[in-house]
Amino acid sequence: DIQMTQSPSSLSASVGDRVTITCRASQSISSYLNWYQQKPGKAPDLLIYAASTLQSGVPSRFSGSGSGTDFTLTISSLQPEDFATYYCQQGSSTPLTFGGGTKVEIK
Amino acid sequence: EVQLLESGGGLVQPGGSLRLSCIASGFTFSSYAMSWVRQAPGKGLEWVSGISGSGGSAYYADSVKGRFTISRDNSKNTLYLQMNSLRAEDTAVYYCATCQVWGTGWCNYFDPWGQGTLVTVSS
Repeated sequence: DIQMTQSPSSLSASVGDRVTITCRASQSISSYLNWYQQKPGKAPDLLIYAASTLQSGVPSRFSGSGSGTDFTLTISSLQPEDFATYYCQQGSSTPLTFGGGTKVEIK
Repeated sequence: EVQLLESGGGLVQPGGSLRLSCIASGFTFSSYAMSWVRQAPGKGLEWVSGISGSGGSAYYADSVKGRFTISRDNSKNTLYLQMNSLRAEDTAVYYCATCQVWGTGWCNYFDPWGQGTLVTVSS
């Protein structure tokens, strides 16, 4: 099974800050890496798929990069509605696996 | 509008059974693989099971293999998850999700997701 490791597990940031979350796969997954945002009590929402493709309707302040084993989600200027938990997920092989999540909190 | 609506969750005793359903609308259901993903209280996301668009191929996480069965009825636009021999560690919100493919494989990412249904396994 491919293990996905996210860091940090939580972070505190202010509105307007640039935020970076990393995700590492235990083996190469090419570009089969996706990012989701989840708010309390809600289902996850897809932000980015194929490592860097922004899902339709997602603000351009979100961006993704990486390939192979190391990936990054960047929020260029954090907005109040961005405080949430973010998950990476590999879609390279079954079982499909998620990272442990990164909770972004208000500083 | 694409919509997924889960039902069937509830309280069940350890060792018991439950069947979850997910009714899809707004897209050609039979053209898409589907998955179930769960989230234990206060925990992260765990993929549970998936099924191809035709229903001919099914996939399971090791944690549920032999206890859970995924199926679908394309005439009813409905996905199912039959859960047997339930354990306390199966307590979670269960989401159904549409599989999307951009490269190789049967499911690369999940979009959209249903709102979830809570399963509680407790005596």
